[in-house]
Amino acid sequence: DTGVSQDPRHKITKRGQNVTFRCDPISEHNRLYWYRQTLGQGPEFLTYFQNEAQLEKSRLLSDRFSAERPKGSFSTLEIQRTEQGDSAMYLCANPGWGEGTDTQYFGPGTRLTVL
Amino acid sequence: KQEVTQIPAALSVPEGENLVLNCSFTDSAIYNLQWFRQDPGKGLTSLLLIQSSQREQTSGRLNASLDKSSGRSTLYIAASQPGDSATYLCSINAGGTSYGKLTFGQGTILTVHP
Repeated sequence: DTGVSQDPRHKITKRGQNVTFRCDPISEHNRLYWYRQTLGQGPEFLTYFQNEAQLEKSRLLSDRFSAERPKGSFSTLEIQRTEQGDSAMYLCANPGWGEGTDTQYFGPGTRLTVL
Repeated sequence: KQEVTQIPAALSVPEGENLVLNCSFTDSAIYNLQWFRQDPGKGLTSLLLIQSSQREQTSGRLNASLDKSSGRSTLYIAASQPGDSATYLCSINAGGTSYGKLTFGQGTILTVHP
């Protein structure tokens, strides 16, 4: 257990529905990252926050995706009008603390299946 | 743009063998390299992190090396066990304005059979 939690762990939805995922990082570390992982591939960067500010978004993050981090604590990732191509594992991560600051700790992920 | 490649894509070995997983990257201007393990349907577990100034790191039966100039890292697993079966991922942290944004390889699927 890395201390990073994600909810839900699994989500099955029908095409066109909206879904929202939540990530609770280790304490209130100022950086939080979202990644997407499709079957057989490594994770790909989606976006990251420093405190409550979203500082970078990947080209993978279409207009249907939005992420927030109110008050610099937990973060949410929403996908509107889901498509079958959105089916993937969504992972969040944040750096450690103290001597482990450079180590990235990942949550267990939310597996999204769009029917 | 950094590209990370892992070879082999899959590896199957009998229990007890020593094995090497390879990772190569195209841009040697890295901040650090981190190896992860991923069990099916699970998140990523950090195994070893090597800073750009370091040559290797060891943890138990695992040893990771880094040759920044040639753009290569290896993960050595000694005396493999069935519990080592998982996907192993190599990642690069470029640092600077991209600090913490990791670029991953596609992973090596390891199967250790009894």
